[in-house]
Amino acid sequence: GQQLNQSPQSMFIQEGEDVSMNCTSSSIFNTWLWYKQDPGEGPVLLIALYKAGELTSNGRLTAQFGITRKDSFLNISASIPSDVGIYFCAGRGGSRLTFGEGTQLTVNP
Amino acid sequence: IAGITQAPTSQILAAGRRMTLRCTQDMRHNAMYWYRQDLGLGLRLIHYSNTAGTTGKGEVPDGYSVSRANTDDFPLTLASAVPSQTSVYFCASSDRGLAGVGPYNEQFFGPGTRLTVL
Repeated sequence: GQQLNQSPQSMFIQEGEDVSMNCTSSSIFNTWLWYKQDPGEGPVLLIALYKAGELTSNGRLTAQFGITRKDSFLNISASIPSDVGIYFCAGRGGSRLTFGEGTQLTVNP
Repeated sequence: IAGITQAPTSQILAAGRRMTLRCTQDMRHNAMYWYRQDLGLGLRLIHYSNTAGTTGKGEVPDGYSVSRANTDDFPLTLASAVPSQTSVYFCASSDRGLAGVGPYNEQFFGPGTRLTVL
């Protein structure tokens, strides 16, 4: 089956720092999605990528769809305390959506 | 406020009991989904429904059943709960189903139900 590896598993950073996390797959995906989950809440879609090489921004967030279609990264610039949460990547291949295990982000004020 | 609601918020259940988790969306989305979220395993699809009246099995369907009598509701039933079904359950919906690609296929999640089976 499709496997999706997300790294790092957790990050502890200072407010104002930039953050980068990525996902790699053993399979080709036709869509990459990035979600954020706050404690006690459901995941919220941050960015969706539909084409290889696509680079998309949403405020301080930037994500890219890798050219090989097997990877994607998410960058957060100038982190703030409310960026705390778990970030999930998800890849769509065919009719299946596969989620990464998540990156737990902690931002120290 | 438009969105997805789930009930109950949390539940402690004795093994062997029957339990139905409720999910309702008011966005008139065609497709709905049930996921379970476990530490270290991410989100795994249990069952899905591309349109009212149809359902399909996801990655981990055993021990669960669903029905889709109308567009808005998608209940998940555990016929005889077991401790391994302890998890956080999320319902999601999208305008269109899993097979498509594009904004109409992206999923919006409910707040979750935390279920503990003893």
